[in-house]
Amino acid sequence: GAGVSQTPSNKVTEKGKYVELRCDPISGHTALYWYRQSLGQGPEFLIYFQGTGAADDSGLPNDRFFAVRPEGSVSTLKIQRTERGDSAVYLCASSRRDTSYNEQFFGPGTRLTVL
Amino acid sequence: GDSVTQMEGPVTLSEEAFLTINCTYTATGYPSLFWYVQYPGEGLQLLLKATKADDKGSNKGFEATYRKETTSFHLEKGSVQVSDSAVYFCALSDRQGAQKLVFGQGTRLTINP
Repeated sequence: GAGVSQTPSNKVTEKGKYVELRCDPISGHTALYWYRQSLGQGPEFLIYFQGTGAADDSGLPNDRFFAVRPEGSVSTLKIQRTERGDSAVYLCASSRRDTSYNEQFFGPGTRLTVL
Repeated sequence: GDSVTQMEGPVTLSEEAFLTINCTYTATGYPSLFWYVQYPGEGLQLLLKATKADDKGSNKGFEATYRKETTSFHLEKGSVQVSDSAVYFCALSDRQGAQKLVFGQGTRLTINP
């Protein structure tokens, strides 16, 4: 079956611009996560959705970052006034959360480069 | 907060060598533990997991045992193959709340024929 998909795969933007990154989770997965992976590091948690609501946004670095999931499926991560330090790979993951260990399935990521 | 520390890489081995990648964690509760793998050009994939102390996770010849007394979850494989070349991430997940994953920094493994 189809896995988690993310678009675009690459995004190059200029400092100060606004960007949107999209995630299509696996069908039927109620939980959706965004992570950010800087070069040479492990992914870091940004935000978690259960259904349509952001149940935990404690990882968002500041108020320039915002995410939505209006219909409980597709999610969009929005970054305002981008800075060079925002350059990273943004990963999306989804899960069913009906097992004891909550296996998360990851998308291929969007590589964001802020010039 | 919770954290994961992995053996620094890169690690280079010859085919059929024995592999160990060390992983230790700090957590306030009783987390679930995972190893994820990222093959070249691919996304993160779950390799194996353990959900409670003394559990052993295994997959594709890899094993890791959840050691609560040493807060460790070391990854091992008896005989590596060229196809095992990848970046390996140790991670933990709290059983409550968001159950978000906390990752180590990753270990790049290269296997030479």
